[in-house]
Amino acid sequence: DTEVTQTPKHLVMGMTNKKSLKCEQHMGHRAMYWYKQKAKKPPELMFVYSYEKLSINESVPSRFSPECPNSSLLNLHLHALQPEDSALYLCASSLRGRFSTDTQYFGPGTRLTVL
Amino acid sequence: DQQVKQNSPSLSVQEGRISILNCDYTNSMFDYFLWYKKYPAEGPTFLISISSIKDKNEDGRFTVFLNKSAKHLSLHIVPSQPGDSAVYFCAASALIQGAQKLVFGQGTRLTINP
Repeated sequence: DTEVTQTPKHLVMGMTNKKSLKCEQHMGHRAMYWYKQKAKKPPELMFVYSYEKLSINESVPSRFSPECPNSSLLNLHLHALQPEDSALYLCASSLRGRFSTDTQYFGPGTRLTVL
Repeated sequence: DQQVKQNSPSLSVQEGRISILNCDYTNSMFDYFLWYKKYPAEGPTFLISISSIKDKNEDGRFTVFLNKSAKHLSLHIVPSQPGDSAVYFCAASALIQGAQKLVFGQGTRLTINP
């Protein structure tokens, strides 16, 4: 089983709203990732969590705030977003945490529209 | 600066023939390479991977070849089937600050014609 789940599937929010994206995996994976994908572009890494600690932040604006409450759950808190932040947000996980390369398994994504 | 390049935005192949998708990379720190298949508005689905210590990996109809000296990899699909029609992304992995970073190519849209 290589399932990563993401909720909600679709989200529409105004620029003053606060919302959160949720990602879950129950495969015992120790690394979790957030990616952003714009139309007709490849996924771009935003954040990496390894053993529930933030390991990589790809200079993402502070209006995106990640959180990893436990090893199975990853959240992305959104506040004061801009219309250009509209995109498909993908979560991924991989088995090993630090100092190893591994296959990343992706969730279905959350389609975010900022009005 | 694109570290991973897929120079063919699209490829059209007859059903039953071989599909060959290509990918080039520039960073010697990449040590693990993956191919993903993606449908619109869905997450990428893992297909096959290869470590930099190998030059070939096979899984059913899918084979990935790696030429480290040329910094080039390719995905072969034999025989091609209509269900293979999708966008294929090549991804390269490196360890940054102890954590894995994946860099994706721009993707190649594969269309299998009946």
